[in-house]
This record gives sequence, structure tokens and C-alpha cells, in this order.
Amino acid sequence: AQTVTQSQPEMSVQEAETVTLSCTYDTSESDYYLFWYKQPPSRQMILVIRQEAYKQQNATENRFSVNFQKAAKSFSLKISDSQLGDAAMYFCAYRSQNRDDKIIFGKGTRLHILP
Amino acid sequence: SQTIHQWPATLVQPVGSPLSLECTVEGTSNPNLYWYRQAAGRGLQLLFYSVGIGQISSEVPQNLSASRPQDRQFILSSKKLLLSDSGFYLCASTGRVRNTGELFFGEGSRLTVL
Repeated sequence: AQTVTQSQPEMSVQEAETVTLSCTYDTSESDYYLFWYKQPPSRQMILVIRQEAYKQQNATENRFSVNFQKAAKSFSLKISDSQLGDAAMYFCAYRSQNRDDKIIFGKGTRLHILP
Repeated sequence: SQTIHQWPATLVQPVGSPLSLECTVEGTSNPNLYWYRQAAGRGLQLLFYSVGIGQISSEVPQNLSASRPQDRQFILSSKKLLLSDSGFYLCASTGRVRNTGELFFGEGSRLTVL
């Protein structure tokens, strides 16, 4: 069974600095998606970034980028120029591309932005 | 874009009482639908998912059940709530473009069992 591990329960970063959130996963499949979701205090889950496993190029969305290491089964999220609005719970998630069913989430990392 | 509606947003129920949380989806058809529970320090736990009307897969044995009476309606129920059922429940749906992979979430329902 697939698993997703986020080893950092909490992290803090100074405003305007860069922070990296870690995620590792375990799967025997070769085709899958990986996601980072953000959950602010409002509790609404928001998709931050998506990566297809077949793509070697790391996904980027403005200040958010990932470091996808398929062989190492690692999928870290880098937030550049951190802003107060980035404070939230961040979840890493995995979904098989072949099986059209469940998405597996990690336990999350709570990110604090220090002014 | 699609919208996920969940209600009620907040619910306080005594132990042993029944539960019904409802989720409806707008802006897509034939989605996969999911119920997740979020408890403190435990991330998102997948409870049920459905790939079509009347098709329910359960991930965790418990006193909860789910039903999908219509294509875009997903209901989470219990006949008798336990204290351990307290938590934040999220309904999610796949998108109109299935191969993008991500889920879209409702705003959640906070359940407190006393």
C-alpha cells in the first residue's frame, strides 16, 4: 500500500525568507501524481502545486516550487519570499494515475511565518 | 470551475445520536467523491470513496457509513455517534478534467460529540 510521510510536524520561517517542506512516499507504481495542498486557518483545502511522475521537470507556481526526486521517492516543497499569508498547514498527497480512486495524504506540516 | 457544498458547517451531537452530513457537487458530472476526517495530529484520514452512484468503498471499519443516492450527492451517516467520531469532516471531488488528478474540497463540517 502507498504511504506518504511528512517528517516535520511544524516549521517556522522568517518573512521574506525561503523554506522547504519535506515529503517522502512509498509506492511500487511508476505512474502517479503528487500534490501539495495548503490548509489555512479557514480550513479550506487549496491546491498549491501538482507534479506528474512522468515529468522530469520540477513543477513551479509563482513562489512555490518542488524538488521531485523519483528514484528517492522524495517530493519537497520550496516556498520563496515567504509571506504572512503562507502560514497554514501543508499536506503532501499521492494519487495513482492508473487506479482511479483514492488519494493518500501525509499528516501535514504546520508552517509559521515570523514577521 | 466546480463547487463542493457541505452542510451543516458545525454540529454538536450527544453520544448515541444519529448523524447525517451532506455533500453536493456543482460544475462536474460523474466525479469520484470522498469523505475524509481530520483529527488533530493525524492528518487527513480517508473514510469512504465512491466512483459512481451506489458504489461505496470503505477504508476504515467504524460506525460510520456513506451513501451516494445521486451522481453529485454524497452522504455520511451514523446510527449512533461515539465520542471518537468528533472531528473535522471534509468532502472532496475529482474535477471535470479527470486526468489532472487533484481533488477539490468543500469547506468542511466540524462535528463535536459530547
